[in-house]
Amino acid sequence: NAGVTQTPKFQVLKTGQSMTLQCAQDMNHNSMYWYRQDPGMGLRLIYYSASEGTTDKGEVPNGYNVSRLNKREFSLRLESAAPSQTSVYFCASSYTGTPSYNEQFFGPGTRLTVL
Amino acid sequence: AQSVTQLDSHVSVSEGTPVLLRCNYSSSYSPSLFWYVQHPNKGLQLLLKYTSAATLVKGINGFEAEFKKSETSFHLTKPSAHMSDAAEYFCVVSEVRGSTLGRLYFGRGTQLTVWP
Repeated sequence: NAGVTQTPKFQVLKTGQSMTLQCAQDMNHNSMYWYRQDPGMGLRLIYYSASEGTTDKGEVPNGYNVSRLNKREFSLRLESAAPSQTSVYFCASSYTGTPSYNEQFFGPGTRLTVL
Repeated sequence: AQSVTQLDSHVSVSEGTPVLLRCNYSSSYSPSLFWYVQHPNKGLQLLLKYTSAATLVKGINGFEAEFKKSETSFHLTKPSAHMSDAAEYFCVVSEVRGSTLGRLYFGRGTQLTVWP
């Protein structure tokens, strides 16, 4: 099993450009998440998808959109990138059915710089 | 409402000495609690988790944490630090019921430095 995979690993954008971060999991998890990590802030939830066909906003959704393409894939789109979106982005997945199964598994991250 | 406070942003220890990383939480219901570790330029790895079974939880690499409901704490300890333990550690709380089931709430992290 590859677990959670993310592409690309690194990206540099100019202000105003758009891009999509891709995430896929092969663990048959029903829930998927996008976080951003900034120094001294921990991880903050951008959007999540509790199950295929549903998406919800997290703590910091402004400037982002998501698509749960199928059970395996969950993409994050920046329509018009801003320097404030320079961050490390992590995708995660979990089986959310009972309390003991809500451990999340994380991808390796995408390091995004917006100039 | 759920929240996590990691009481130290940086902790420095000498190799072979004990490690204590402190975490307090608030939660509307009985929570699940986790510690994740992040080595430089890596993703997050689960260290250990508490899900209402034993209050003393053992994790990987010799770490353990004790859930103390009366103190709303979940401190992470290790008897003897190793150089490879140098990393950032995140305390995390998750609700076990309700509309936010499964969502994680992260502390701001504690950077552990281990001196030779």
